[in-house]
Amino acid sequence: DVKVTQSSRYLVKRTGEKVFLECVQDMDHENMFWYRQDPGLGLRLIYFSYDVKMKEKGDIPEGYSVSREKKERFSLILESASTNQTSMYLCASSMGPPKGAFFGQGTRLTVV
Amino acid sequence: AQKVTQAQTEISVVEKEDVTLDCVYETRDTTYYLFWYKQPPSGELVFLIRRNSFDEQNEISGRYSWNFQKSTSSFNFTITASQVVDSAVYFCALSAYSGAGSYQLTFGKGTKLSVIP
Repeated sequence: DVKVTQSSRYLVKRTGEKVFLECVQDMDHENMFWYRQDPGLGLRLIYFSYDVKMKEKGDIPEGYSVSREKKERFSLILESASTNQTSMYLCASSMGPPKGAFFGQGTRLTVV
Repeated sequence: AQKVTQAQTEISVVEKEDVTLDCVYETRDTTYYLFWYKQPPSGELVFLIRRNSFDEQNEISGRYSWNFQKSTSSFNFTITASQVVDSAVYFCALSAYSGAGSYQLTFGKGTKLSVIP
């Protein structure tokens, strides 16, 4: 089975801190995604990557950056956390459109 | 740009009733893929089905069935004889190529289904 692992299930950070959310997949997938999920807004794409060191902005990239130095790892970075970035963050990976995407368990981030 | 609309925010049904979740999508691509995911209270998204744009055949899997109609850009999901375990948030998603070697996976806002015993 495909496994997508997010480093933390729950995280509490202070405003202004630099925050790293890590995601690792074990199936050699080329594509990886970061979404945030908020009540009433569904899943919104922040960034995605289709290869090592390649990245593309999603629908809401402001305030975030990403890093993909190795194929299996995709990191989401909040340069200076703010309270409006309190949310559930979901990482996903996929071999390509026909295969669908597999999701991690999510990281619930609270910025205080 | 691509978009997925799930007009139903919340639905409540009584156990054993049939229920249909609606999904309407927009894309300019001729090749695209559609998906349904289930998110139970535990939070992890579970992949249910995929359909490509060239295959309009409806699909049935146990109590689940999917109706893909290109003419109306819809990909609806029906649960027959609903059960309490079907209670979850259901997401419809669309995948289309957005550039050289890359594609974007866009989700609707989800429909929360509550099945009452």
